[in-house]
Amino acid sequence: EDQVTQSPEALRLQEGESSSLNCSYTVSGLRGLFWYRQDPGKGPEFLFTLYSAGEEKEKERLKATLTKKESFLHITAPKPEDSATYLCAVQDVYNFNKFYFGSGTKLNVKP
Amino acid sequence: GAGVSQSPSNKVTEKGKDVELRCDPISGHTALYWYRQSLGQGLEFLIYFQGNSAPDKSGLPSDRFSAERTGGSVSTLTIQRTQQEDSAVYLCASSLGPGQGETQYFGPGTRLLVL
Repeated sequence: EDQVTQSPEALRLQEGESSSLNCSYTVSGLRGLFWYRQDPGKGPEFLFTLYSAGEEKEKERLKATLTKKESFLHITAPKPEDSATYLCAVQDVYNFNKFYFGSGTKLNVKP
Repeated sequence: GAGVSQSPSNKVTEKGKDVELRCDPISGHTALYWYRQSLGQGLEFLIYFQGNSAPDKSGLPSDRFSAERTGGSVSTLTIQRTQQEDSAVYLCASSLGPGQGETQYFGPGTRLLVL
């Protein structure tokens, strides 16, 4: 069964304390892996798409990486404004309209 | 440019009433998705439109739920005879479509509370 698991469920960091969020997936075939940021009361905001193992994408303090079984979202020297829930989703290569979402990691960055 | 919009942003209704939720996708996006997000849960797929057709309705939880899309643009999700377990955030997303760009862009959601 296709499945996406994110860990940890919640993460509390001090400002400037770097860390990583994990997204593990099992899918029959991966077409793409997507990272989103969701602020309270808002819809998910697109961050990155990764397509193949070894691929990396960066945006400001965020870097996403992909292996054949998992993806990491690395946060370098986070700031309080990085506090949000981060969601990952995988797209099935055999059915392009199928996206499986994880439950998210809630990140809280303290000043 | 304008993003995905949804209305209403909040809806409070009584058990047994019908509700309609609206989604305006990004102009030119042929693919449209509806998801449901309950507190602390991941996004639950409901239905997928390509143009005005819905080739995948597999996520609709019961026959009380239906959706349509007209003119390849606006979509309406209807929940009949609402139940308390229908309370959730309903999210709409759109994308350019298969092979054109499959990244989904989400609207702000409609928060539904059934009393």
